[in-house]
Amino acid sequence: SQKIEQNSEALNIQEGKTATLTCNYTNYSPAYLQWYRQDPGRGPVFLLLIRENEKEKRKERLKVTFDTTLKQSLFHITASQPADSATYLCARAYNDYKLSFGAGTTVTVRA
Amino acid sequence: GAVVSQHPSWVICKSGTSVKIECRSLDFQATTMFWYRQFPKQSLMLMATSNEGSKATYEQGVEKDKFLINHASLTLSTLTVTSAHPEDSSFYICSAVSGSKTQYFGPGTRLLVL
Repeated sequence: SQKIEQNSEALNIQEGKTATLTCNYTNYSPAYLQWYRQDPGRGPVFLLLIRENEKEKRKERLKVTFDTTLKQSLFHITASQPADSATYLCARAYNDYKLSFGAGTTVTVRA
Repeated sequence: GAVVSQHPSWVICKSGTSVKIECRSLDFQATTMFWYRQFPKQSLMLMATSNEGSKATYEQGVEKDKFLINHASLTLSTLTVTSAHPEDSSFYICSAVSGSKTQYFGPGTRLLVL
């Protein structure tokens, strides 16, 4: 099965610090990995997509890396703000557009 | 940006009744939509793939006769939970695939079966 694991269920950090979230996958490397933000009682919101041949991708204060050797993607939120508090989901694609999601990491940024 | 809506946002029903949830892509056409279910503190689990003009395909362990899917047009898919039971209470989320192959998610529907 195409398993996705997000090892940390929760992450608490001080405002201004960098949050780093980990996503590990099994078996073969997916063509791409996606990261989503989910707020309580809401559907996921797409943040970033990183392809297998890309080492790093950035979008404003967000950075994602893809290491096919470690079978791992890291998601960084730099200069974190309380508004960044949410659950972040990693997903891998399979069979065309299907996505397999990790359990998510809930980030809480303290002011 | 691409917007996907769901209706209703929440629903409470009695055990044994059927509930229909609508998923609409508001500003783009989607030949493919997906239906997910999410239990508290768990990840999204894919239930089925909804294809416009053809039958839905269901993931292993999902009863197709219980979760009826109709993709009537390029902007609308419906999920009907038939003969709902308390264990069907969950957060149901749909997504629609845009022309750029990105999945855009709806806001979700909270179902509570009493």
